[in-house]
Amino acid sequence: SQTIHQWPATLVQPVGSPLSLECTVEGTSNPNLYWYRQAAGRGLQLLFYSVGIGQISSEVPQNLSASRPQDRQFILSSKKLLLSDSGFYLCAWRGLAGVSYEQYFGPGTRLTVT
Amino acid sequence: LAKTTQPISMDSYEGQEVNITCSHNNIATNDYITWYQQFPSQGPRFIIQGYKTKVTNEVASLFIPADRKSSTLSLPRVSLSDTAVYYCLVVDYKLSFGAGTTVTVRA
Repeated sequence: SQTIHQWPATLVQPVGSPLSLECTVEGTSNPNLYWYRQAAGRGLQLLFYSVGIGQISSEVPQNLSASRPQDRQFILSSKKLLLSDSGFYLCAWRGLAGVSYEQYFGPGTRLTVT
Repeated sequence: LAKTTQPISMDSYEGQEVNITCSHNNIATNDYITWYQQFPSQGPRFIIQGYKTKVTNEVASLFIPADRKSSTLSLPRVSLSDTAVYYCLVVDYKLSFGAGTTVTVRA
């Protein structure tokens, strides 16, 4: 069966510090991978998606970046965090079999920038 | 990407049927309609997907009229545990979530 891992679960970082969040997927090959951010009380904002190794599409201009060094690994990074980067970060994957838009989400990382 | 409009919130009572309507006037021919459920501090969970007419699974039904400019998610006999945010998405290959509808089920 497929599983998706995210770490860390919670993170408190000062403004201006770097960020690295990691997401890995098991039990599937060549998935589409996604990074979302959810601010408190808000909907999910799509940040990045990837259809393959090294292929990253950015949805929103910001100080975040994403990378996909391996088929089932997706990393979200920042060189210098802003207060507005606080939020709940979710990684998700979707398989390519058929015409299903069922996404599977990881447990999320709660980031607080102080 | 087709924009969706759904109510911000809805209240219901246990045992009632809840119907959430989503408008998507600019839906494209290849777009599918998908609904997700989200509980606090968790990622969204897939509920149902459809292209046209009616789709039913063990959790919900999805009604889509012929023009596909709207869709209605129907939750039969809700319980307290159905209190959550429900998102309507119109998707081709990437999924973007709007603000969703907060459904509150009361005893």
